[in-house]
Amino acid sequence: QQPVQSPQAVILREGEDAVINCSSSKALYSVHWYRQKHGEAPVFLMILLKGGEQKGHDKISASFNEKKQQSSLYLTASQLSYSGTYFCGTEKAAGNKLTFGGGTRVLVKP
Amino acid sequence: NAGVMQNPRHLVRRRGQEARLRCSPMKGHSHVYWYRQLPEEGLKFMVYLQKENIIDESGMPKERFSAEFPKEGPSILRIQQVVRGDSAAYFCASSPSTGTGELFFGEGSRLTVL
Repeated sequence: QQPVQSPQAVILREGEDAVINCSSSKALYSVHWYRQKHGEAPVFLMILLKGGEQKGHDKISASFNEKKQQSSLYLTASQLSYSGTYFCGTEKAAGNKLTFGGGTRVLVKP
Repeated sequence: NAGVMQNPRHLVRRRGQEARLRCSPMKGHSHVYWYRQLPEEGLKFMVYLQKENIIDESGMPKERFSAEFPKEGPSILRIQQVVRGDSAAYFCASSPSTGTGELFFGEGSRLTVL
């Protein structure tokens, strides 16, 4: 079953923060985050394994709440290059297929 | 190290024709995944293959679609008797092994059915 992402879209000014959420109704083994720019391939950002570990990639970080089966992606002090569509992908067990959410479109304006 | 290579990048077919999409995974990667993306939508899983084996095809339509990953050569996604609803971007991704890890995506093949 597809994870649910919210919000569907967000518009930011450069330097502002945003949070993107990803929820699943099923128990998860891992959550992946990818960013896709228009007309390009999705690019990997980070993986979170169950255990609630928080990870970071530049000023983009994420957390995974295993009990709630939710992950959040934090865009801090956003830059113009952060614009794109962010997808979470969930995995029910190690080595399973990755099921992606519907995406969150992020537009960072100067 | 070359990335995941997909070809053709753009393909136009008339209804009823066949479409063949190719994917060469990154060097050393033995796992291939195919995803379909409609405009302004998410990535829908289609099939997961290892060399000469289909591991999970739960996202593949039962008719007209098939996929293979032979011992030698690229993975191929084949769509027979295409219909307008098949128009989409088809992305291939590869990974080096089983277990949780990053997927490396190709640039996609954009199929347009007239």
